[in-house]
Amino acid sequence: DTGVSQDPRHKITKRGQNVTFRCDPISEHNRLYWYRQTLGQGPEFLTYFQNEAQLEKSRLLSDRFSAERPKGSFSTLEIQRTEQGDSAMYLCASSSNTAWDTEAFFGQGTRLTVV
Amino acid sequence: GNSVTQMEGPVTLSEEAFLTINCTYTATGYPSLFWYVQYPGEGLQLLLKATKADDKGSNKGFEATYRKETTSFHLEKGSVQVSDSAVYFCALGMSNTGKLIFGQGTTLQVKP
Repeated sequence: DTGVSQDPRHKITKRGQNVTFRCDPISEHNRLYWYRQTLGQGPEFLTYFQNEAQLEKSRLLSDRFSAERPKGSFSTLEIQRTEQGDSAMYLCASSSNTAWDTEAFFGQGTRLTVV
Repeated sequence: GNSVTQMEGPVTLSEEAFLTINCTYTATGYPSLFWYVQYPGEGLQLLLKATKADDKGSNKGFEATYRKETTSFHLEKGSVQVSDSAVYFCALGMSNTGKLIFGQGTTLQVKP
């Protein structure tokens, strides 16, 4: 297993366009998280899946954001009608749920630039 | 609410110097505490963790002790190397979901 992979690594889009990012977690991990990181800040939690169920969404996740994990494997994060304030690094992480304090493994992120 | 506060960087040290990066937290319940590291061009990696009060996490010469009485989890290393140059994030993990709450990160630059 090569770890958590995210695609694309970089995305430049015009304001108002829709974008979709993909995350492939480590295969045996049933927990999947999305975070957003802006320059000079730590990652901020966006949403969390256990298998295919989305169990928690941050108040940061406006109605323009939607995430899915249809078969409990890969996940997608879509941003509709992008705004310049959406420019950030979007990070995906996965973990097993054998214990709540197990390590979360992070992907390298998708860097979104809205122009 | 739950939050993490780290000392502001950047921190610039000479090789073999002693490192301390301060981290304090506010949390309800009994979170786990983590230090993650982000090397240039790479993703976040777990450096060490502690799951309950008075636990000490250690890895690669780094240590941190979970201090409930001072709500702190300071990162220390006795002798830093140039290869330790990175951004370090303190985080607390929520017990029911594993969700992480991060500090703002501290950039460490080690000069030869």
